[in-house]
Amino acid sequence: GQQLNQSPQSMFIQEGEDVSMNCTSSSIFNTWLWYKQDPGEGPVLLIALYKAGELTSNGRLTAQFGITRKDSFLNISASIPSDVGIYFCAGQLIAGGTSYGKLTFGQGTILTVHP
Amino acid sequence: NAGVTQTPKFQVLKTGQSMTLQCAQDMNHNSMYWYRQDPGMGLRLIYYSASEGTTDKGEVPNGYNVSRLNKREFSLRLESAAPSQTSVYFCASRAQGFEFFGPGTRLTVL
Repeated sequence: GQQLNQSPQSMFIQEGEDVSMNCTSSSIFNTWLWYKQDPGEGPVLLIALYKAGELTSNGRLTAQFGITRKDSFLNISASIPSDVGIYFCAGQLIAGGTSYGKLTFGQGTILTVHP
Repeated sequence: NAGVTQTPKFQVLKTGQSMTLQCAQDMNHNSMYWYRQDPGMGLRLIYYSASEGTTDKGEVPNGYNVSRLNKREFSLRLESAAPSQTSVYFCASRAQGFEFFGPGTRLTVL
């Protein structure tokens, strides 16, 4: 099946630092999604990317859909304690003629922010 | 508007016991999903239902069954629980091309 490699697996940073994480795939996708999971909760969508090369921001978060369609990046600027959680990338390939595609998730990046 | 709700939040089973995890969504979404989350593995799709009346296997369906009871409800059943099924289970529904997740059920099988 499709594989998504997400890195790093974990990060320990100081409040105010910037954060970068990425996902790479062995297959192409036509949608990339980034989710955040707070402790004890379900994942919540942060950013959705639909076009190769697309760069999208949501507050302090910026994500990019790689030109090759096999990778995506998420950056968090000026981290704050509430950024703590697990960040997941997910890719989706919608086959021709259908509007449905299953998501493939990365393994997650665990982010810890020290005040 | 509660979104996606799941019951129970926590459950402990003995090996061989059965149970059903319940999921409901009030967003009128057609597609619903069951995932499991294990450390270092991300979220893996167990079963999904693209629309009311249809269900299909995902990546890790063995040991599970599902029922799409109506448009709102999608349940996951473990007929004979095994320790390997200890996990956090998430139900989700889809709209606009992405999943909305419930809060999860934390299941331990002893």
